[in-house]
Amino acid sequence: DQQVKQNSPSLSVQEGRISILNCDYTNSMFDYFLWYKKYPAEGPTFLISISSIKDKNEDGRFTVFLNKSAKHLSLHIVPSQPGDSAVYFCAAYSSYKLIFGSGTRLLVRP
Amino acid sequence: EAGVAQSPRYKIIEKRQSVAFWCNPISGHATLYWYQQILGQGPKLLIQFQNNGVVDDSQLPKDRFSAERLKGVDSTLKIQPAKLEDSAVYLCASSLNLAGPLQETQYFGPGTRLLVL
Repeated sequence: DQQVKQNSPSLSVQEGRISILNCDYTNSMFDYFLWYKKYPAEGPTFLISISSIKDKNEDGRFTVFLNKSAKHLSLHIVPSQPGDSAVYFCAAYSSYKLIFGSGTRLLVRP
Repeated sequence: EAGVAQSPRYKIIEKRQSVAFWCNPISGHATLYWYQQILGQGPKLLIQFQNNGVVDDSQLPKDRFSAERLKGVDSTLKIQPAKLEDSAVYLCASSLNLAGPLQETQYFGPGTRLLVL
């Protein structure tokens, strides 16, 4: 039973363009969401988060949008850079436990 | 600030053998987590410690997996005996504290890649 779903296993965008990574969740009790980035042979690193009381959070080139009615969140990266190429995991907190999606591999082409 | 340290980085064993992984969290972090990440999936929490006490081990296969965190700092995760389906990356993470409504950022180590043949 996947409570956090990332339906796109991969995404390829041109450098300078916008990258949009999507995430859906099933549990309406989730109240805090995070995005992690993972490079090969490294552990995931925290990127950005959003509380369920907000619908948008911005940090530099990264913006996370939350649509509670649709149980959907998205990560926007503008402009995309080759160094952004990595696997991005969406995660949600439930009872202090992080539940991860399966990840989306982003490739930013120079 | 030093990050989360894990060893070994890679391990290859045969099924039914035993294996142990070690984790040293970020200094001062009270909460320690072990995750299992199978290829193509996201990390799945196995066990969560607050200092040296277990907070959640509901997804730990206790017939073969065990973990301890002596003195509330370092932790070891053991698999005995290993099965083919245990092939995965085992990630250790730590966070400052587990309290209140503010969810703490978890900092991950590089992981141990286990291959069971």
